Formats: sequence, structure tokens, C-alpha cells
Amino acid sequence: AQSVTQLGSHVSVSEGALVLLRCNYSSSVPPYLFWYVQYPNQGLQLLLKYTSAATLVKGINGFEAEFKKSETSFHLTKPSAHMSDAAEYFCAVRKPFGNEKLTFGTGTRLTIIP
Amino acid sequence: DTGVSQDPRHKITKRGQNVTFRCDPISEHNRLYWYRQTLGQGPEFLTYFQNEAQLEKSRLLSDRFSAERPKGSFSTLEIQRTEQGDSAMYLCASSSRQGEDNEQFFGPGTRLTVL
Repeated sequence: AQSVTQLGSHVSVSEGALVLLRCNYSSSVPPYLFWYVQYPNQGLQLLLKYTSAATLVKGINGFEAEFKKSETSFHLTKPSAHMSDAAEYFCAVRKPFGNEKLTFGTGTRLTIIP
Repeated sequence: DTGVSQDPRHKITKRGQNVTFRCDPISEHNRLYWYRQTLGQGPEFLTYFQNEAQLEKSRLLSDRFSAERPKGSFSTLEIQRTEQGDSAMYLCASSSRQGEDNEQFFGPGTRLTVL
């Protein structure tokens, strides 16, 4: 079975500051890991994914994440926050085979302070 | 590529009524997923289709829920005898590939409120 834990349901950062959203995973097999963003009243959009290639993954909108097997972590970062980054962020895990359903964390709401 | 669409976007119903939601995946995507998202939670997997075959159902999908994808294109999710606990956002996603290239594209969701 797979699961993810997102530490911090709410994170506030000042515009221009570093964004760090935490995600730890549990998986019985080497996982594929994902970060999605959800804006109000919209579906989820894929930011980036890790699928066993490079451990540092770059995504859209300047976000990146690093897979650390020893820490079972996949934290999301962005060097400089922008007002448009305010949204809900979800970490997700799935097996690399089978029906490929996603198991999501509970989400982190990111607020940007002007 | 018009994206995944869902209809209706919002549905308010009284407890005990039946409701049906529709999902139109991206054209030629053979995989279709339904998820449910309650307030303050992440989406939870409900069921999965590959073409017209329903290959997996979550334990969350009680016998009041039924999903179909009759021609391997659009899908419907029906909830019979709705309960207040069914209030949630119902999300549909589709994908065309498997393995590491599998990217699920999500629709905007149908928000269900059961009074």
C-alpha cells in the first residue's frame, strides 16, 4: 500500500521568499511521485513528477522537487514566491504498474503575503 | 485538445434522490478515472476504466454508486439514494499512456451538495 503525508495544511510565505512544501511517502515498491496544484473551482494540474530517473525534478512555473529515498521525502520548492502561486498543492504517489491510480495527501494551502 | 469536461459543474439535491454525473475525457484517451474529494482532503480513488472495461473499484464505492463507460468514450457516475455524506467534489481524469509516461489530466469536477 502507498500513502503520502503532507506536513502543514497551511503555509504562508512573503512574495519573493522561498516556498517549501513538505511531502513524505510510504510505499511497498519503488514509487512514482507527483505534485499537483489546484486553483479554486478548478481541477488539478500536474506541476512535476518523479519516475525513477533524475532525483531532482523541474516542473512548470519555476517549481522543483527532490526525491530523497533515504528520507522518503519529495519536498516541493520554488526560490521566489509569486502572488499567482497562491493555491492548494497536493502530493501524490502511485505504483509504476497496474491501474496506476493516484494516492493523494491531504493538501497544503499556500498563501502569499504581499 | 479540449481537455476533460464534466457536467454538471454543480448539483444540489435532496437526500434520497438519485444523481448522475458525466465525464468526457480527452479524445482517444483510453484510461478514465473517478476520484472523490471532500472538504479539506485530497482526492480519493473511486474507480478506473480501460476502454469500456471497469477494472477496479475502491471500497469507497458502495452499492449505491455505479459507473459506466459504455463505448469507451464518455463515462457516467450515478449515485442512488443520496446521503449527506455523499457531498463532495467528484473529479474525473483521463490518460492515454501507461508506465512513467502516464499523466492523468483532470477535469474541473462536479460539486455535489446533498441537503
